[in-house]
Parts: sequence; structure tokens; C-alpha cells
Amino acid sequence: AQTVTQSQPEMSVQEAETVTLSCTYDTSENNYYLFWYKQPPSRQMILVIRQEAYKQQNATENRFSVNFQKAAKSFSLKISDSQLGDTAMYFCAFMKHIPGNQFYFGTGTSLTVIP
Amino acid sequence: EAQVTQNPRYLITVTGKKLTVTCSQNMNHEYMSWYRQDPGLGLRQIYYSMNVEVTDKGDVPEGYKVSRKEKRNFPLILESPSPNQTSLYFCASSLDRGTDTQYFGPGTRLTVL
Repeated sequence: AQTVTQSQPEMSVQEAETVTLSCTYDTSENNYYLFWYKQPPSRQMILVIRQEAYKQQNATENRFSVNFQKAAKSFSLKISDSQLGDTAMYFCAFMKHIPGNQFYFGTGTSLTVIP
Repeated sequence: EAQVTQNPRYLITVTGKKLTVTCSQNMNHEYMSWYRQDPGLGLRQIYYSMNVEVTDKGDVPEGYKVSRKEKRNFPLILESPSPNQTSLYFCASSLDRGTDTQYFGPGTRLTVL
């Protein structure tokens, strides 16, 4: 079975600073996808960034970037120049292909950006 | 507007009374999925569907049924709800088998007394 672990239940960061959220996963699969989702107080789930396991280059989306370490099964999210609107719950997710495209989510990290 | 809709948004029911939560997407997406979110447990996948008439169990399928008769609709059925199914439920869809962006519905808050 696949497991996704987010060891930081809560984090805080000063506005304009940088913060890194940790995620580790356990799998025997070789081909898979990894995602970070954001859930603000509105409860809407929003995709932040995704990474294909076969790509060595780390994904980047504006202020959001990942540090993907396949051998270590680590997938951390770095948020640069933190903004108040980044305050949300962040979920790391793993998707495997076989036998079907099944998702596994971590328990989440609650991030608060402090003005 | 491209969206995933769920109905109802809030539901309070009693143990054993069959209910259906509807999910509909207007983006012609192939992949649809149901999740439940519980405090401290994150999201857990209940069922997913790769295409019409194709459904598969997720991590926590017990007590739930789904169907995919049309591409746009993916209802979640609780034949005999129990209190441990009290949760926040999300439906999601994506264009290409889940590897693309998943668009989530607004959520359905279900309470089973």
C-alpha cells in the first residue's frame, strides 16, 4: 500500500519570507505522479503544483517550487515571498498508474502567513 | 463556466436511510473521483472512474456505491448510511485519467445521526 506522510501539522511564516513544507511517501511503484494541493478556509481544493516521477527536473509554478528526491521518496514544497493569501491547509498527494489511477493524500499541513 | 457541481451541499440524515450525492462536471472530463475528508486523516479516495461504465475502488470503498452511466455524472450512493460516514465529501474530475489537474467540487457536508 502507498502512504503519504506530512510530519508538520502546523507551520507559520512571516509575510514575504520563504517556507518549506515536507512530504515523504512510500511506494514500490516506479512510475507515479506527485501533487501539492491547497485548501483555503473556503474548503475549495486547488492544485498548486505537480511532478511526474520520471522527470528529474523539479517543477516550478511562479512562487511555488518542489524539491523532488526520488531515491529518498521526498517531495517538499517551497513557497517563496509568502503572501497572506497563501494561508491554507496544504496536502501532498501521490497517484499511481497501476492497476488504475488511484490517489493517496497526506494528512495536511496548516500554514499561516503572519503579516 | 467550467465547474464540478455537487448536490446537496449539506445533508443531515439518520442511520439506514439511503441517500445519493450527485456530482456533475461540464468539462467533458474522462476521470472522476470521490473523496472523503476527515480531521487528521486528510483526503481518502472512495471510488474513481476512468471513463463511462468503468469504476474502481479507492482506499475506502466500504459502505459506498457509485455509477458512471454518463460521462458528466458520477453519483455517490450510500445504501445504508452509518454515523462513521459523517464526513466532508468531495467529487473531482480531470481530463486525462487523473494526471492532469483535478477540479474539485465545493464539497458536501454529510452528518449521519
